[in-house]
Amino acid sequence: AQSVTQLDSQVPVFEEAPVELRCNYSSSVSVYLFWYVQYPNQGLQLLLKYLSGSTLVKGINGFEAEFNKSQTSFHLRKPSVHISDTAEYFCAVSEIQGAQKLVFGQGTRLTINP
Amino acid sequence: DAGITQSPRHKVTETGTPVTLRCHQTENHRYMYWYRQDPGHGLRLIHYSYGVKDTDKGEVSDGYSVSRSKTEDFLLTLESATSSQTSVYFCAITQDRGHGYTFGSGTRLTVV
Repeated sequence: AQSVTQLDSQVPVFEEAPVELRCNYSSSVSVYLFWYVQYPNQGLQLLLKYLSGSTLVKGINGFEAEFNKSQTSFHLRKPSVHISDTAEYFCAVSEIQGAQKLVFGQGTRLTINP
Repeated sequence: DAGITQSPRHKVTETGTPVTLRCHQTENHRYMYWYRQDPGHGLRLIHYSYGVKDTDKGEVSDGYSVSRSKTEDFLLTLESATSSQTSVYFCAITQDRGHGYTFGSGTRLTVV
């Protein structure tokens, strides 16, 4: 079984500052890794994913994440945030084999202050 | 999102009544999922389907049942609604390994 821990439930930052949202996972098998974003009163939207290859993956809206196998982490970063990045962010994993079930972390609420 | 719709968007129901939520897709994807979202818990898997009439339980399946008689429809039924089932329910679809999910807009269910 897999588990995902997002280390911060809330992250406040000022506009144009950099941000890092932390995610650690646990799994006995190989996994795919994902970050999703949820804007208020909406469904979830895929930001980026790691399947294999380069450990640094780039996604939409200027976000990127780095897969670190030894530390079982997949932290999300953005060098300069905007007010429009205010949302909840979810890290998730799924087994490479099987029924593609996603296991989610608890979520991190990112608040951008002017 | 285009390709996946949930109905209803909002529902208020009384304790003890049955409730059915519908997820409809036009993408012909094999895999469909029902999740519930609660503060502090992220999203938790209720049931999923890997084909017509092929379904299985997730981590929080007690009190829920599902059916998938057609590729495009995946129904979630609360057999006898309880206040603990007040939540936002999301349907998701995916076509293959590593593609990630496409989510519906959610159903906000309140059990009074």
